[in-house]
Amino acid sequence: AQTVTQSQPEMSVQEAETVTLSCTYDTSESNYYLFWYKQPPSRQMILVIRQEAYKQQNATENRFSVNFQKAAKSFSLKISDSQLGDTAMYFCAFTAGTYKYIFGTGTRLKVLA
Amino acid sequence: DTGVSQDPRHKITKRGQNVTFRCDPISEHNRLYWYRQTLGQGPEFLTYFQNEAQLEKSRLLSDRFSAERPKGSFSTLEIQRTEQGDSAMYLCASSLDDSSSYNEQFFGPGTRLTVL
Repeated sequence: AQTVTQSQPEMSVQEAETVTLSCTYDTSESNYYLFWYKQPPSRQMILVIRQEAYKQQNATENRFSVNFQKAAKSFSLKISDSQLGDTAMYFCAFTAGTYKYIFGTGTRLKVLA
Repeated sequence: DTGVSQDPRHKITKRGQNVTFRCDPISEHNRLYWYRQTLGQGPEFLTYFQNEAQLEKSRLLSDRFSAERPKGSFSTLEIQRTEQGDSAMYLCASSLDDSSSYNEQFFGPGTRLTVL
């Protein structure tokens, strides 16, 4: 069975600081996609960043970057220069072949002024 | 196009009643997904459509749940004889079947169901 684990239920970070959210997954597939989605309070989920498993280079989107370790099945999200608007639930998600997403339980991030 | 829309945004019903939710995907997207999200959890897959064909259903989707996507456009999710355990946020997402799309799913705002 494919699973996604986020071991940090809650985290906080000071504005302008850097924070890393952890995600591990389990699969026997060789090609798959990994995503980080952000769900602000009472708002819909939006994609933050994505990574294809066959690409060794870590994805980067402005202040957001990932550390993808395929052998370790780890996919962490680093947020640099944290902003108040980054306060949200962050979900790690996996998909392979069947198109459905498998989500982790989420990490609630609070950015402190 | 304003993205994925869902209606209603909130629904309160009494146990035993039937409810129906609607999802309008992004217009050119041929895949449509339903997920359920309970408090403190990540979304869980329920079912998905490619055009009008329902291609996969989760074991979470009991026989009280039915989903349709007539003509491959909007979709409805009906829950019959609701139970308190059905209380959750029901999320709809859509994606484009395109080799360059990474199967990125675009999510709607959800319908929050409360069963009393």
